[in-house]
Amino acid sequence: DTGVSQDPRHKITKRGQNVTFRCDPISEHNRLYWYRQTLGQGPEFLTYFQNEAQLEKSRLLSDRFSAERPKGSFSTLEIQRTEQGDSAMYLCASSLGGLGLAGPDTQYFGPGTRLTVL
Amino acid sequence: GIQVEQSPPDLILQEGANSTLRCNFSDSVNNLQWFHQNPWGQLINLFYIPSGTKQNGRLSATTVATERYSLLYISSSQTTDSGVYFCAVGSNSGYALNFGKGTSLLVTP
Repeated sequence: DTGVSQDPRHKITKRGQNVTFRCDPISEHNRLYWYRQTLGQGPEFLTYFQNEAQLEKSRLLSDRFSAERPKGSFSTLEIQRTEQGDSAMYLCASSLGGLGLAGPDTQYFGPGTRLTVL
Repeated sequence: GIQVEQSPPDLILQEGANSTLRCNFSDSVNNLQWFHQNPWGQLINLFYIPSGTKQNGRLSATTVATERYSLLYISSSQTTDSGVYFCAVGSNSGYALNFGKGTSLLVTP
């Protein structure tokens, strides 16, 4: 169990540029989540995947944000035309779930990608 | 959405002291987790506890789902316990965790 990994750990970009982050979940986990955390606040939910299907999206996920999990393993989060308000820590989490089960389960978080938009 | 309130917002303890952190939530939950966020931002799982009581070393947690609150107990605190403690809950309508604003704990030598 190597844990959830995220890349890059830090990203500095200029306003208007596009950025992409990657998340590799714990290997047997079929559920993957993205959250965003700003200074002094708790993380806020962005989106959820079960295998490759994106099943839940927050209203925080504007049309400049897109997330994919093409083969049900790693996931990418892309932000287009970044704005200074996008500066935050982007956290990925995964959980085991269970085939055919609808219940919740323990979410394990990665170290995050800290985005700074200048 | 479901509201999560944590108290106190800040707490300063001397090493060796005990403390109780509280999490109130506004609706029925099917998932409740306590996390410790270290100074590098990593969220570390402490407990998955939608109901009942659990203990892990110096930490224990109790959730009374019918009264919509959870408590995290830290005994014999150490300086390494410093950081922010988050309570996060999941509702029956989805898989997202809704986080409180956290309790910032500083343990001094």
